[in-house]
Amino acid sequence: RKEVEQDPGPFNVPEGATVAFNCTYSNSASQSFFWYRQDCRKEPKLLMSVYSSGNEDGRFTAQLNRASQYISLLIRDSKLSDSATYLCVVNSGNTGKLIFGQGTTLQVKP
Amino acid sequence: DARVTQTPRDKVTEMGQEVTMRCQPILGHNTVFWYRQTMMQGLELLAYFRNRAPLDDSGMPKDRFSAEMPDATLATLKIQPSEPRDSAVYFCASGFQGWGYTFGSGTRLTVV
Repeated sequence: RKEVEQDPGPFNVPEGATVAFNCTYSNSASQSFFWYRQDCRKEPKLLMSVYSSGNEDGRFTAQLNRASQYISLLIRDSKLSDSATYLCVVNSGNTGKLIFGQGTTLQVKP
Repeated sequence: DARVTQTPRDKVTEMGQEVTMRCQPILGHNTVFWYRQTMMQGLELLAYFRNRAPLDDSGMPKDRFSAEMPDATLATLKIQPSEPRDSAVYFCASGFQGWGYTFGSGTRLTVV
């Protein structure tokens, strides 16, 4: 079983839709969690950190459920420019290893 | 904006040749990662350093890959000898433990 698992998609949604991605992790000692965004042929870029209390940044909301060991990302009012691959990232326990999921591809269509 | 600089941007080499990739982390960052990305495997962690000390290189094929950090401004990843299966994009990232990390734009390696 992979340490970090995501549904690869693709998710094809119309503009304005709300879309949610989930991610599960296996190491219960994991301490930090992130969502990264990667555009085609570009490097991953930090989208947002994920906190136990949940956090919101504009149209993006991230949540963490430690008991169930999953992380979610909600995108509201999706834009064409949101089309990308979204990577779930876990800082694994006290080793500090940063482990990436396979990524979920989002395609927003007009 | 501070950024992680990787060189070269692209590299095409023949099988058996040595390849060296370089990374200049953001000044002050104490953690540096090397990742490899392919379509099939996604982002694989190869090695990482904290305060220039190697912490984990279990993701690297030891017989041909080596990673070093000779000083705080330079991390290197070397492949000797290179093989076609090493063709991938190699990313370097730097940051502080527990915080988000910044990636360089990568080195696209093609081994023919």
